[in-house]
Amino acid sequence: AQTVTQSQPEMSVQEAETVTLSCTYDTSENNYYLFWYKQPPSRQMILVIRQEAYKQQNATENRFSVNFQKAAKSFSLKISDSQLGDTAMYFCALPIQGAQKLVFGQGTRLTINP
Amino acid sequence: ETGVTQSPTHLIKTRGQQVTLRCSSQSGHNTVSWYQQALGQGPQFIFQYYREEENGRGNFPPRFSGLQFPNYSSELNVNALELDDSALYLCASSPESLRQAGYGYTFGSGTRLTVV
Repeated sequence: AQTVTQSQPEMSVQEAETVTLSCTYDTSENNYYLFWYKQPPSRQMILVIRQEAYKQQNATENRFSVNFQKAAKSFSLKISDSQLGDTAMYFCALPIQGAQKLVFGQGTRLTINP
Repeated sequence: ETGVTQSPTHLIKTRGQQVTLRCSSQSGHNTVSWYQQALGQGPQFIFQYYREEENGRGNFPPRFSGLQFPNYSSELNVNALELDDSALYLCASSPESLRQAGYGYTFGSGTRLTVV
């Protein structure tokens, strides 16, 4: 079964600190994407960063970067210089069945404190 | 370019009733997916519509049904509402060019359905 697991229900850090959110997954496919989505109080899911499994280089988008360990099926998100606007739910997601559907983890509620 | 618009934003229904939720896809997007997000959980895939046909379904009973119209907007219908149907319902659209890539989804802000 293709699953996504986030083991940190909540995290809290001070503004400007670095925080890492964890995600593990299981898939039988060899080539796939992995995503981190942000869901602020507005409820809209926003794509933060994506990683293609066949690329060894970890993806980076400004303050956001991933640590992708394919053999360990681990996909963590690092947020550097955290900002108050980063406060949100964060979901790890795996597209399956020819990208027909996204399988989401349970989410991590991240709070950035001033 | 407009994003994905969902209506209504909030809705309260009584158990046993029927409900219709609506989604206007982003301009140029011909694929629409619906997700159910229970409180404190990640979204769960309900089904996807592509060119007005259902193109995959998650583990939801037949009382969850949908439509996609020629302008690619979509409806989600739920019959015989149960208390457990209380959730945020998210709609996401994607363009043809990225349909099989798994990214390029634009999500709406959802409809919060409460069943009492």
